[in-house]
Amino acid sequence: DGGITQSPKYLFRKEGQNVTLSCEQNLNHDAMYWYRQDPGQGLRLIYYSQIVNDFQKGDIAEGYSVSREKKESFPLTVTSAQKNPTAFYLCATRGGQGPNQPQHFGDGTRLSIL
Amino acid sequence: SQKIEQNSEALNIQEGKTATLTCNYTNYSPAYLQWYRQDPGRGPVFLLLIRENEKEKRKERLKVTFDTTLKQSLFHITASQPADSATYLCADMGHNTNAGKSTFGDGTTLTVKP
Repeated sequence: DGGITQSPKYLFRKEGQNVTLSCEQNLNHDAMYWYRQDPGQGLRLIYYSQIVNDFQKGDIAEGYSVSREKKESFPLTVTSAQKNPTAFYLCATRGGQGPNQPQHFGDGTRLSIL
Repeated sequence: SQKIEQNSEALNIQEGKTATLTCNYTNYSPAYLQWYRQDPGRGPVFLLLIRENEKEKRKERLKVTFDTTLKQSLFHITASQPADSATYLCADMGHNTNAGKSTFGDGTTLTVKP
């Protein structure tokens, strides 16, 4: 089954704790993305990676970190420095570099503060 | 800064009518604009895209236009059905110096009433 798997579907974080959201893909896509979506709002780009071992900050990278050690995987860590982490987190991939290439999304992880 | 804006947060129409959603861009000229559908609690799904030098693109009941004079793309759903109810997002995947850096609008939530 080809696609993008995000886990867990729901995640709870205690104050001062770091948590890691998983994103795995078997589409063989080079580019991967992380977005944050708040209720009633659009997607805001956190980090993106166009190739293994390289990634760039998006528009709201503060309080987050990523790694891209394998093509298939792009985990996102929400650190304790992110003071308002409650949101819906979406991972996406893209098969090519051109602006005409669409993104493919996972079904998201909903993160809440305990 | 470069921005994509979708004017309406919500659009309510009667079944069978044509829904028209607007996406405006400011301070730059995207090479392509892409349109996505997002259902509650799910990741967005790509619908179609249009290039800046294309006036119009069609796919079944969907039609997209690109007006570089008005700096605007319109997304039309003809003969709308309740199943078309969802949030629709427009997006730019970036190009030139911003290649790969995606930008999404905040979305328009369409409700089609039977």
